[in-house]
Parts: sequence; C-alpha cells; structure tokens
Amino acid sequence: GAVVSQHPSRVICKSGTSVKIECRSLDFQATTMFWYRQFPKKSLMLMATSNEGSKATYEQGVEKDKFLINHASLTLSTLTVTSAHPEDSSFYICSATGTRVPDTQYFGPGTRLTVL
Amino acid sequence: DAKTTQPPSMDCAEGRAANLPCNHSTISGNEYVYWYRQIHSQGPQYIIHGLKNNETNEMASLIITEDRKSSTLILPHATLRDTAVYYCIVVGSAGNTGKLIFGQGTTLQVKP
Repeated sequence: GAVVSQHPSRVICKSGTSVKIECRSLDFQATTMFWYRQFPKKSLMLMATSNEGSKATYEQGVEKDKFLINHASLTLSTLTVTSAHPEDSSFYICSATGTRVPDTQYFGPGTRLTVL
Repeated sequence: DAKTTQPPSMDCAEGRAANLPCNHSTISGNEYVYWYRQIHSQGPQYIIHGLKNNETNEMASLIITEDRKSSTLILPHATLRDTAVYYCIVVGSAGNTGKLIFGQGTTLQVKP
C-alpha cells in the first residue's frame, strides 16, 4: 500500500513559537493532501485541503493565517502552526491521495503537538 | 456526502468474526463506502471500499446491501491487534475533492 510519513512525530514548544510539520508521500505522487486535527477522545476534523501548486482550501472556522499550508511538490506538504498557544495542542494528521476520484486517502502516523 | 450511522461500541472474542454495521440510507448512486480504522494514537488505516458490489481483500470483507443503504465490514478472524475505532465514511465521486468526514465510528474491543 501507499506510504505517508510525517515529521516530527512529537513536538513540544513554548507558547508563541511556530512549529512546522512535514507530510511526505513516499511511494506515490500526491496531487492532493489533507490536514486533520484530533483532540483527545474526539474524531478527526478536517482542517484544510491542499493541491500541489495551489493555495490550500480551509474548512470553516480554521484560521488560514494561523495554520499555514504549503504543497510545493507532489510528495511534500507542510503545515506551520504560527504563534502556537496551548489550545493548539493536538494530534495533527495528514493524508495524501493520487489522481483518481475518488481516490483512497492514505494517512500519515500523526504528529503530537504540545504547546507549553 | 451522505451521513453514516454506526454503533458506538462493540465487543468481539478473539478468533471470531467481527461484523461491524453501518447505515447510510441517504447514499447517492455515485458515492462510495469507505472503511478506515484508527488504532490508539496512530493515523487512520485504510481497510476497504466499495460502490455496490461486495469486496474482499487481505484485511476484510465489505458487504453492501442491494439498496446500498447499509453495509457491513467483516473481519473474519479478529485478533487483539484489531482493537481500534472503525470508521464508515461515504465519499462522493467525480467532481468531488474526496474529502473524508469522520463521524464517531465504532470502537471495537477484541477480547481474549
């Protein structure tokens, strides 16, 4: 199956700093990548959809200036949490899909962000 | 995309078949049924998907009713490692971004 990696797997940062999370498709070209957030004991919530070479489309209620998404290549998307605060602490998960519609989304292992 | 309804939790004995139901009574003709599972603190794992025919792969079988209003995911011989939250999701086809909207899923507990 298709493999998606995320880096880092875990990050702890101070309030006010920015954190970048990378999502890579290792064995396929991902035209579309998705970013999700998951709070404890809750389901995944879609934050944004990113197409290679285009601006990301954010879901309602997600601040695009706070969660910067870049999808500069067919194998890499990044999520930057700017000026992080404790309420941004969460499990961030990316997924990637190819060109068929609908195509199967393959998920990364997730990144646990803790903001102190 | 159509909404799905799943029982919040189920138990299954190790070695027995686990049958996880999902209702999607408002599904449209061009919408697929996808199943994912999430083991604690990991990203979701794709299991199987189908349109109208039953499907089987190395992980599971998917049985879709003739009217497509419900489906059942079958894990033929559940193991302790199958303990996870299972999500049934309906996804649209052409012209759609393929967004997955996760509900609360079914927490499957496989017991020794």
